[in-house]
Amino acid sequence: EPEVTQTPSHQVTQMGQEVILRCVPISNHLYFYWYRQILGQKVEFLVSFYNNEISEKSEIFDDQFSVERPDGSNFTLKIRSTKLEDSAMYFCASRGLDRSGELFFGEGSRLTVL
Amino acid sequence: QKEVEQNSGPLSVPEGAIASLNCTYSDRVSQSFFWYRQYSGKSPELIMSIYSNGDKEDGRFTAQLNKASQYVSLLIRDSQPSDSATYLCAVFAAGIMRFGAGTRLTVKP
Repeated sequence: EPEVTQTPSHQVTQMGQEVILRCVPISNHLYFYWYRQILGQKVEFLVSFYNNEISEKSEIFDDQFSVERPDGSNFTLKIRSTKLEDSAMYFCASRGLDRSGELFFGEGSRLTVL
Repeated sequence: QKEVEQNSGPLSVPEGAIASLNCTYSDRVSQSFFWYRQYSGKSPELIMSIYSNGDKEDGRFTAQLNKASQYVSLLIRDSQPSDSATYLCAVFAAGIMRFGAGTRLTVKP
């Protein structure tokens, strides 16, 4: 069964460093998403991406964040200068063209900022 | 602000009982509604989806949707200890899925 894959599964970084989280969405999906979940809190929408551009972003997704689809398969989330409060699980998700809205989630990347 | 609200719990039920989880949402143009199960440190796992008013049953799970009341629920019959997890209500509208804070369910043997 096709799945969304994310790397790394866990990254530890120093405050102020740049981090890139990678995702390979399901191959025939066209809509891509990043969500964040701080420990013990809700899953929060960060950004959606379609047709090589951001279609929607939340207030969390400030100038420190960027997304890119550098090739036909990868979808990346970059955090330019990490802060302690960026420590969280980051989930990538994708969906197809059907209108159901069902998202397929990756296993997540745990980011720990020290 | 588009919100999805859930009873925060925790909810504790004995094995074999019915667990009832509730959710309300604020965005009237919401199209699709989902229940996910999440274990600690893991990604959300889809349990049920529901798109039209009424009930939808899948095994021990029944989802109920009332768009007029902006209310979604999930019933788990014959609850098992393995059902112990956090249950997330999610609402899809205008291309974005938004999640509630989740209800932590514990099923006691």
